[in-house]
Amino acid sequence: EAQVTQNPRYLITVTGKKLTVTCSQNMNHEYMSWYRQDPGLGLRQIYYSMNVEVTDKGDVPEGYKVSRKEKRNFPLILESPSPNQTSLYFCASSLRSSYNEQFFGPGTRLTVL
Amino acid sequence: AQSVTQPDIHITVSEGASLELRCNYSYGATPYLFWYVQSPGQGLQLLLKYFSGDTLVQGIKGFEAEFKRSQSSFNLRKPSVHWSDAAEYFCAVALSGGSYIPTFGRGTSLIVHP
Repeated sequence: EAQVTQNPRYLITVTGKKLTVTCSQNMNHEYMSWYRQDPGLGLRQIYYSMNVEVTDKGDVPEGYKVSRKEKRNFPLILESPSPNQTSLYFCASSLRSSYNEQFFGPGTRLTVL
Repeated sequence: AQSVTQPDIHITVSEGASLELRCNYSYGATPYLFWYVQSPGQGLQLLLKYFSGDTLVQGIKGFEAEFKRSQSSFNLRKPSVHWSDAAEYFCAVALSGGSYIPTFGRGTSLIVHP
């Protein structure tokens, strides 16, 4: 089954404790991206990747890192999480770019205390 | 600045009634346009998209949208709403030949009364 998976689905952590949210897709998509969803703000893109070893900032990259060492994986790293990063995070992938249909993962709800 | 506006935060309709969700964008050129739906606790799923050609686009689940260049709008419609359509709906745009960062609207929450 074609899908985007994220882990963990729920995470509660404390300020400053490094964490990684994994994202994997099995559709051989070139484009992958991370979004955060906050009430009243919709989805905002954090980082995107056009292909392996090619990443770029989205609208709200501060406090986040990403890497794309393999085509299927696109982990999101918070090296020193803060409470304002409490949010619902979505990973998405598409064939080549944001012009194509994006397939979304189920989301990761992160709480930073 | 580029923007996408969904003016209605919440919309309430009765089951069987027609539905129209509004989306306006502010871009210099015609962008790629999308409508996504997010059911409770789920990720987003594409309903339909417009790139070029016929301005009336058919999507999944009985939805359609009409692109109106003169009004910079891409409104989503459904002639008869089902209770299972209750969800959050997002309009999104992506610019051709420009940034690869898509812009999403803030979303419209659809409530369906029996």
